[in-house]
Amino acid sequence: DAGVIQSPRHEVTEMGQEVTLRCKPISGHNSLFWYRQTMMRGLELLIYFNNNVPIDDSGMPEDRFSAKMPNASFSTLKIQPSEPRDSAVYFCASSTGYYSPLHFGNGTRLTVT
Amino acid sequence: SQQGEEDPQALSIQEGENATMNCSYKTSINNLQWYRQNSGRGLVHLILIRSNEREKHSGRLRVTLDTSKKSSSLLITASRAADTASYFCADQETSGSRLTFGEGTQLTVNP
Repeated sequence: DAGVIQSPRHEVTEMGQEVTLRCKPISGHNSLFWYRQTMMRGLELLIYFNNNVPIDDSGMPEDRFSAKMPNASFSTLKIQPSEPRDSAVYFCASSTGYYSPLHFGNGTRLTVT
Repeated sequence: SQQGEEDPQALSIQEGENATMNCSYKTSINNLQWYRQNSGRGLVHLILIRSNEREKHSGRLRVTLDTSKKSSSLLITASRAADTASYFCADQETSGSRLTFGEGTQLTVNP
């Protein structure tokens, strides 16, 4: 079991650029979550999918953020255009379903200058 | 659901001592979970306690849940330097799959 795999591990970009974060959940897990972690706001749920369908995207900050899950083994979180306030660590997590523990990836540290 | 709150925010103890961290939440929950995060890494699930349970053990970990007070505690016994990490509680509402994390307790265990 390789765990949840996120890429890239670090991303540094300039304001206005498009950023795409990628996630491969654990095989067999049917729920996928995107979280953002900052010192100021802690861990925030951005969006979660169940069986590849977005269930709750109320945490997505604004229209600049979008997430897709085209199949059970891949998800992307896109920020376009990026802003310095988007700088954070973005985590992907997966689980076997409702009321089950989450398995986190090691995150993508995004820095927008 | 509003975020849970951990208490204390930071805790520094000597190896071998016990560490107790507390968490409060504000909604009706299906379960409450505790996670650990080492610096630069993702969160790792430690233990899940359901709303109809009052106490749960896993190795050196003991978790209690008081639904009347909407609070939980995590006890780590005989702490080790390797336990140094941030510990988060997360409550999961009865109404859905949303898991809301608290702000965490930074635990430092000095050798």
